[in-house]
Amino acid sequence: GAGVSQSPSNKVTEKGKDVELRCDPISGHTALYWYRQSLGQGLEFLIYFQGNSAPDKSGLPSDRFSAERTGGSVSTLTIQRTQQEDSAVYLCASSRTGGDYGYTFGSGTRLTVV
Amino acid sequence: SQQGEEDPQALSIQEGENATMNCSYKTSINNLQWYRQNSGRGLVHLILIRSNEREKHSGRLRVTLDTSKKSSSLLITASRAADTASYFCATARGGGAQKLVFGQGTRLTINP
Repeated sequence: GAGVSQSPSNKVTEKGKDVELRCDPISGHTALYWYRQSLGQGLEFLIYFQGNSAPDKSGLPSDRFSAERTGGSVSTLTIQRTQQEDSAVYLCASSRTGGDYGYTFGSGTRLTVV
Repeated sequence: SQQGEEDPQALSIQEGENATMNCSYKTSINNLQWYRQNSGRGLVHLILIRSNEREKHSGRLRVTLDTSKKSSSLLITASRAADTASYFCATARGGGAQKLVFGQGTRLTINP
């Protein structure tokens, strides 16, 4: 597609439920990144993919968070047993690799855990 | 850990004035990038400066990089109301896929 697409744009869930957030990167971008941003804060790195593999999962806050990427394209971030502190905007970005490239971000998913 | 730190945290100026935002970082970098964010959603890439570059221009934007001081500045000239946004610096340490580390951002308000 022309840009990075994230769905849903907004998600309200009850504490304890599982949620899945989807990211569809720009075609041909081999790198895909997940960040989250709490209100008024900077971006917190979660995980990145190079192709289908995830060389760096260091930012995942707990084992309730997992992510996968299939076919070198779409990625899903799953949060199990959601907690109120998981409420944030989850941002996905993609980029080319092999040189110095900027990211293209999606519009994010605003997750609210009630 | 925090890599880029922007200064000031908030800046309010009159339309037509120039806006300068600063970024400091702690470790060696491959490149430094600036992004703009409107309304707390997706960020837009503005400009990238490599570690061996000292200055770069793009339209009304001017970015400088001083690797000896581990700092960068973003200058927006002749500001417009549409420039109101949050601005983030981000640093890349290199490698095949660049994991960017973002600062906390500067909230810029342009008053008409």
